[in-house]
Amino acid sequence: QQPVQSPQAVILREGEDAVINCSSSKALYSVHWYRQKHGEAPVFLMILLKGGEQKGHDKISASFNEKKQQSSLYLTASQLSYSGTYFCGTEIPFGNEKLTFGTGTRLTIIP
Amino acid sequence: NAGVTQTPKFRILKIGQSMTLQCTQDMNHNYMYWYRQDPGMGLKLIYYSVGAGITDKGEVPNGYNVSRSTTEDFPLRLELAAPSQTSVYFCASRLTGMNTEAFFGQGTRLTVV
Repeated sequence: QQPVQSPQAVILREGEDAVINCSSSKALYSVHWYRQKHGEAPVFLMILLKGGEQKGHDKISASFNEKKQQSSLYLTASQLSYSGTYFCGTEIPFGNEKLTFGTGTRLTIIP
Repeated sequence: NAGVTQTPKFRILKIGQSMTLQCTQDMNHNYMYWYRQDPGMGLKLIYYSVGAGITDKGEVPNGYNVSRSTTEDFPLRLELAAPSQTSVYFCASRLTGMNTEAFFGQGTRLTVV
């Protein structure tokens, strides 16, 4: 079953912040985040492991709460280049070779 | 370094025809995947493989077949194409083990008419 992402779509002005959520019905071992520009392939952003760690990538960071089976991606002071569709990917314990992606969140940044 | 290469980039099929989507990677990755992407539906896993000779079904395997005879190649076969198989197909690969990032091919846009 696919992880569920929210919101499905969001429009921001340049410089505003956004949060994208990813929720799974299964226990998770790790969560991946990818960004896909229109007409291109998804590109890796970061992986988060069990333990509630947070990671950062430029002004993009994420957290992972394995007890709630949820992850959130934080985009701070958004730039035009952040536009695209964001996907979370999940790995489950004892089945981590299977990488399942969420429903996607389309982010549009306007000047 | 070529990474993950998919061919063809575009294809139009008639209902009932068959075709093979090719995927090859030159990174010596054991894990390979096929996903389909429909508008607003995210990436759905069709099949995956953990190494040569080993494949397993994903979420939406019906109407597709795969084989993995070498580490490099993971072709996806469509038998008796149907309009519901109109989609963008992505192949991906990654290293064996936990927490390894996936690398995607550029995708194949397939239309069944």
